[in-house]
Amino acid sequence: EVQLVESGGGLVQPGGSLRLSCAASGFTFSTYWMTWVRQSPGKGLEWVANIKEDGNEKNYVDSVKGRFTISRDNAKNSLYLHMNSLRAEDTAVYYCAREDLLLGRGAFDIWGQGTMVTVSS
Amino acid sequence: QSALTQPASVSGSPGQSITISCTGSSNNVGRYNLVSWYQHHPGKAPKLMIYEVNKRPSGVSNRFSGSKSGNMASLTISGLQGEDEADYYCCSYAAGSTDWVFGGGTKLTVL
Repeated sequence: EVQLVESGGGLVQPGGSLRLSCAASGFTFSTYWMTWVRQSPGKGLEWVANIKEDGNEKNYVDSVKGRFTISRDNAKNSLYLHMNSLRAEDTAVYYCAREDLLLGRGAFDIWGQGTMVTVSS
Repeated sequence: QSALTQPASVSGSPGQSITISCTGSSNNVGRYNLVSWYQHHPGKAPKLMIYEVNKRPSGVSNRFSGSKSGNMASLTISGLQGEDEADYYCCSYAAGSTDWVFGGGTKLTVL
């Protein structure tokens, strides 16, 4: 079964750090762009970052540039989001998603169930 | 405030058709044919319904269709069914400070 499972969320104080993980299974992870998307409470989805198949290209939304780092370990079929200098506005459910370029650009066809990050003192 | 504007809610009766709009700008929807739509039942993983404006992934019902005109994209659901009740989000590639932008979401209620 094709699957993405996020983990690593939790409660963290403002200014703190957290690392999210996304475990992929059921497909050849190393051949897909991967993406992080978040949803703040009561709000819509927000694209956060993506990373190329080999990890050599990464892109971020302006609001997290310099604070978040996306990475991947293709040998472990895993995607990561390292989050530093966390702010209250980073509170959200964080989803990892696969972009299937064989379908088309922006076809985020597989999503995880999400992991909740709460930034609060 | 989301870069793409969607109505907060729409509703329809079983068997009817509804359309959800997604209004962007010349920097996103108007410039690229890279609009996708997602169905999201709270607490579950979002599901891809439409990509590249009007293409349906395998397994998605042909009751779902997408279109675009200028800076506005639309998702139409025909023959409404109770299981269609969910939140729907549009997404577009965007020039500028972010690769991809989402709409604020539309809650579909099947009456």
